[in-house]
Amino acid sequence: TQLLEQSPQFLSIQEGENLTVYCNSSSVFSSLQWYRQEPGEGPVLLVTVVTGGEVKKLKRLTFQFGDARKDSSLHITAAQTGDTGLYLCAGDQGGSEKLVFGKGTKLTVNP
Amino acid sequence: NAGVTQTPKFRVLKTGQSMTLLCAQDMNHEYMYWYRQDPGMGLRLIHYSVGEGTTAKGEVPDGYNVSRLKKQNFLLGLESAAPSQTSVYFCASRRAGGRDEQYFGPGTRLTVT
Repeated sequence: TQLLEQSPQFLSIQEGENLTVYCNSSSVFSSLQWYRQEPGEGPVLLVTVVTGGEVKKLKRLTFQFGDARKDSSLHITAAQTGDTGLYLCAGDQGGSEKLVFGKGTKLTVNP
Repeated sequence: NAGVTQTPKFRVLKTGQSMTLLCAQDMNHEYMYWYRQDPGMGLRLIHYSVGEGTTAKGEVPDGYNVSRLKKQNFLLGLESAAPSQTSVYFCASRRAGGRDEQYFGPGTRLTVT
């Protein structure tokens, strides 16, 4: 059973378009992290959201944590080719040393 | 700071051979992790450690062993490699407690023929 479901699995868009990717679960998380992984490299943290309903912005990226702390979304405005990569969400169930990772959304932004 | 480093970066093994992957971190992190990443499967936790001398099983531990003799190093061993272990292996480390990020190494691409 996959605790964190990410959708879509693949997304190919043109530069300048907007997009949203989702991370959903039936479980509650004390916090949720978003990572971006570029080809040939390890994942790198983008943001951590902690409070239900929280919205965080990182330049053109907007992250939201659901009110019930079971889901999250990442919205990218005016995508650029440099946004290409694998976007992973990871949840912390609190009191655990481990993170639960989703399978990721592979984003390709075409020039 | 080098962060998290992994050795080697690439390796090809024949079925039945053994090898050890080395992970080192210079951030004095208590927690360390080994993951494998396969297409469409995301990151799957193999083993992890919450401190020197301790290890625990993750989601997919079969066929792998680990050791953490020093706080800064976490070794992943394959005693008898199988083609199903062809994957990209990532090591990560994290500070204990809180909601700190995991810092990942650059990965080791292993092919078992």
